[in-house]
Amino acid sequence: AQTVTQSQPEMSVQEAETVTLSCTYDTSESDYYLFWYKQPPSRQMILVIRQEAYKQQNATENRFSVNFQKAAKSFSLKISDSQLGDAAMYFCAYRSGGPGGSGYALNFGKGTSLLVTP
Amino acid sequence: KAGVTQTPRYLIKTRGQQVTLSCSPISGHRSVSWYQQTPGQGLQFLFEYFSETQRNKGNFPGRFSGRQFSNSRSEMNVSTLELGDSALYLCASSKGAGAYQETQYFGPGTRLLVL
Repeated sequence: AQTVTQSQPEMSVQEAETVTLSCTYDTSESDYYLFWYKQPPSRQMILVIRQEAYKQQNATENRFSVNFQKAAKSFSLKISDSQLGDAAMYFCAYRSGGPGGSGYALNFGKGTSLLVTP
Repeated sequence: KAGVTQTPRYLIKTRGQQVTLSCSPISGHRSVSWYQQTPGQGLQFLFEYFSETQRNKGNFPGRFSGRQFSNSRSEMNVSTLELGDSALYLCASSKGAGAYQETQYFGPGTRLLVL
């Protein structure tokens, strides 16, 4: 089964600054999808950004962007101009693109807790 | 468009009882997946349903079961509850299933406490 590793249990950033959250994954597949989800204290899991492995261009959603390094199996999330509302647990997730492996379920990392200070 | 809804939001049960949780997907979404979230194990996949058929199942005992109705609403059932079943149960919906699953959108979760 594919494993997803988030090596930073906690991160802190000041308002308006930039922070990068790390994620690495282990897979032998060539076709897959990667996601970042945000879970605020309400526990509602919110999609932040999605990346298809076959796309070389890094995905971007407003202040959120990723650095996808397929060869290195790395998928980091950059949050620019951090806001107080960005404070949450951030989960990196992997999903297979083919019928093998772990099927089509999302495999999640353990999460990174992001604190945003004024 | 309304998001994924889950009922109930909170539940307290005692060991040995059974529980049924409900999930209504986003309108037009036909796939529903269930996940268990605990502090120790993190987020773990339970099962996925599409067109009333279970398409994929995680590594959970048979006490955990589910079903999907013709309107895509899904229920999961846990029988003979154990203390370790205390968790946040998240439901996610997507348009398709399998390779066409696209992105999963999550509901607010049901927090289950087993005493």
